[in-house]
This record gives sequence, structure tokens and C-alpha cells, in this order.
Amino acid sequence: RKEVEQDPGPFNVPEGATVAFNCTYSNSASQSFFWYRQDCRKEPKLLMSVYSSGNEDGRFTAQLNRASQYISLLIRDSKLSDSATYLCVVSLDSSYKLIFGSGTRLLVRP
Amino acid sequence: DGGITQSPKYLFRKEGQNVTLSCEQNLNHDAMYWYRQDPGQGLRLIYYSQIVNDFQKGDIAEGYSVSREKKESFPLTVTSAQKNPTAFYLCASSSWGKDEQFFGPGTRLTVL
Repeated sequence: RKEVEQDPGPFNVPEGATVAFNCTYSNSASQSFFWYRQDCRKEPKLLMSVYSSGNEDGRFTAQLNRASQYISLLIRDSKLSDSATYLCVVSLDSSYKLIFGSGTRLLVRP
Repeated sequence: DGGITQSPKYLFRKEGQNVTLSCEQNLNHDAMYWYRQDPGQGLRLIYYSQIVNDFQKGDIAEGYSVSREKKESFPLTVTSAQKNPTAFYLCASSSWGKDEQFFGPGTRLTVL
């Protein structure tokens, strides 16, 4: 079983749609959680950290469920520019090591 | 402009050759990392360094070597012992005590 699992997609949605991605992690000792965005042939960029209480940044909302060991990302009012691969990332208590999921690809169509 | 730079952007190597990938940061970050990304896969950690003159192996260190002589620099050498070196190589850095890592633009290595 992979340490961080994501549905690879692609999720193909129209502009303005709401789309949600889920991610599960296997190590219950995981301490920090992130969503990164990666455009085609580019480096990953930090989208947002995920806190136990949930957090929102504009159109993006992240949730963490420690009991079920999953993380979610909700994107409202999708834009064409949201088309990218979204990486779910988990950190263990040692804090130096990030475990990356393989990513979920999102395509937003006009 | 603060950030992480990697060079070259594209690199072609013949089998049996060693090559060195450059990574420089001016963010005053203590920790630096090297990852490898293959198509359709997540990033895998090659080496990391939390302080100058010290570094640790990651999950896939075989066939690679690093040095950390300066805080700003963390070069990666891909040796001829690396069996499948063609990949996208990403360098990252982070502040002391912070989990968030920030990435350079990457080097795409192709072995001919």
C-alpha cells in the first residue's frame, strides 16, 4: 500500500464547477499536511497547508480527518487556470521528510 | 529576488558519464533536499541536508552523491552507477523547524 494515495484522475470539469479531491495516508504518526500544485513540466508550488480545524484560502478549502486518515481539497468556481496536477503531501514527526502522493490531474474546460 | 535556482534546465548525458546538477538558494534556508520525479509518480527523496557539511541519504540514494560546503549550495552528482538516471530532478529548501518546502524549477536529465 502506498503511503499517500490519490485518485490520478483526470477530473474534467467545466468552468465555474466545484470539484473535490481526496487523499488518504497510511501512517497515523503523520503530523503536517499540505496541498501542492504542479503545472505540466514545472516544479511543485505550495498551495496551502492543511490544519486540523480546516482552512480556507479564497476558492480553496482544505480539510483533515485524522480518524479516517484522509485529506480533502475543495475548489469552488473553477477557473481555466486551475488546470494542473494537485499533489497531496504528508510530513512525519521528524519534519524533514515529505511524502508525496502521485497527484490528481484537473482539467477545467471553457 | 529570493528563490531557488537550478541549472541547467535540460541536460543530456551519455551512458557512463557522471554529471553534476546545480542548486542554489538565497532564502537563508537551513535545509535543502533533492528529489527525483518520474512520469506519473510522486517525488522521491534522494538526499537531504539540514546543516552545512552534513547530509543524509533519502529513499533512493544509490548512484547519487551530494556535498554541502556552503549554506546556499547543494549540488547533486548523478554517477554512472545510477541505473535509470533519466528523470526530472527537483531541489527544495526549507527553514529550520518548518515543514513547508519550496522548490527550484528543476533539471530534466536525459541519458542517451
